[in-house]
Amino acid sequence: EDQVTQSPEALRLQEGESSSLNCSYTVSGLRGLFWYRQDPGKGPEFLFTLYSAGEEKEKERLKATLTKKESFLHITAPKPEDSATYLCAVQARMEYGNKLVFGAGTILRVKS
Amino acid sequence: NAGVTQTPKFQVLKTGQSMTLQCAQDMNHNSMYWYRQDPGMGLRLIYYSASEGTTDKGEVPNGYNVSRLNKREFSLRLESAAPSQTSVYFCATSGGYFNQPQHFGDGTRLSIL
Repeated sequence: EDQVTQSPEALRLQEGESSSLNCSYTVSGLRGLFWYRQDPGKGPEFLFTLYSAGEEKEKERLKATLTKKESFLHITAPKPEDSATYLCAVQARMEYGNKLVFGAGTILRVKS
Repeated sequence: NAGVTQTPKFQVLKTGQSMTLQCAQDMNHNSMYWYRQDPGMGLRLIYYSASEGTTDKGEVPNGYNVSRLNKREFSLRLESAAPSQTSVYFCATSGGYFNQPQHFGDGTRLSIL
């Protein structure tokens, strides 16, 4: 069974304090790993797709990396506006309909 | 350009009542999905439609039905609402080709008393 575990559940940072969020996954043939950002009262907003081990993607203060068993979302010098819930999801290679399996998310709070 | 629009945004029902959640997209995507999101749990797939004219069960389909009305619209129906169905419901779409991300609406917050 495909499974995604995110850690920590919650993370509090001071503005400018860099850190990483973890997404561990078990999937029968990875087709893609997706990172989303979710603000309170909103739907998830797509950030990155990673396809193969060793791949990295960057967007402003965020960088996502992928290994064969996990992905990290590195946040460099975060600002209060980076506060959100970050979701990780995987897509299995043989899944019909491009279904995703989501982790429970990491709630990030950045204080000024 | 609205993307994915869900209606209503909020709803309160009594146990046993029925209701239909609506989802419409203007992204010309082939695939559409219904999820529920509960505290401490990830998004869980209820039903999906890989393309117009097809629907399939996801992880938690019991108590729900869906209709893919046309390429743009995908509705979720609760025939006899139960308190366990209190949740936030999200509709999502994707191009239908592998590796394409899903794009989400802003959800319907449903409370069942």
